[in-house]
Amino acid sequence: QSVLTQSPSASGTPGQRVTISCSGSSSNIGSSTVNWYQQLPGTAPKLLIYTNNQRPSGVPDRFSGSKSGTSASLAFSGLQSEDEADYYCSTWDDSLNARVFGGGTKLTVL
Amino acid sequence: QVRLVESGGGVVQPGKSLRLSCAASGFTFTTSGMHWVRQAPGKGLEWVAAISYDGDNRYYENYADSVKGRFTISRDNSKNMVYLHMNSLRPEDTALYYCAKDLGRGARRGMDVWGQGTTVTVSS
Repeated sequence: QSVLTQSPSASGTPGQRVTISCSGSSSNIGSSTVNWYQQLPGTAPKLLIYTNNQRPSGVPDRFSGSKSGTSASLAFSGLQSEDEADYYCSTWDDSLNARVFGGGTKLTVL
Repeated sequence: QVRLVESGGGVVQPGKSLRLSCAASGFTFTTSGMHWVRQAPGKGLEWVAAISYDGDNRYYENYADSVKGRFTISRDNSKNMVYLHMNSLRPEDTALYYCAKDLGRGARRGMDVWGQGTTVTVSS
């Protein structure tokens, strides 16, 4: 049981706008910044969004992140076939004094 | 170019010990927080431990409850290496173990660069 809650799966068609959510509490998302990671099959995770809504160099601007209260979201403005992957949210938890991850969302491009 | 290369994984019996290593290059290692994250077969990511820079050449450690008291994270700044010493290994510790660099000096900002991982299998 993950501290952060993500829907196990999501899907969309190419070009569609899709949003993945991550729900936490006041001790984690409510008091710390959120990062999002993309994990393509058989590869190491890659940082997609940091500090809630910042994109590392090289990440396309069709990926965007947001945070409100104890929830965060990752949005794809125009879904592409290569976006099919697992996506994880992560933040710091002050009660656990530990880094925590969501359970992951498997995104399927139909 | 920032690079992290893990090594030391293998097959080990329950109750035994293992040490993982992570060689870092391409960034200012001494003031960077470093993490170990694992992923059991077919499962999600689980943070394991972090070692953070607190200034004045001081470092502090944080651990997930699942490994506290059994695993120890350490670093050798002279070699740009991070280690994970794993004792009293259990079958549920079987996973791909990733080394990752933090965005900042500690563990609070999260990981930005990841290695390719090293596999640990705990089985009799």
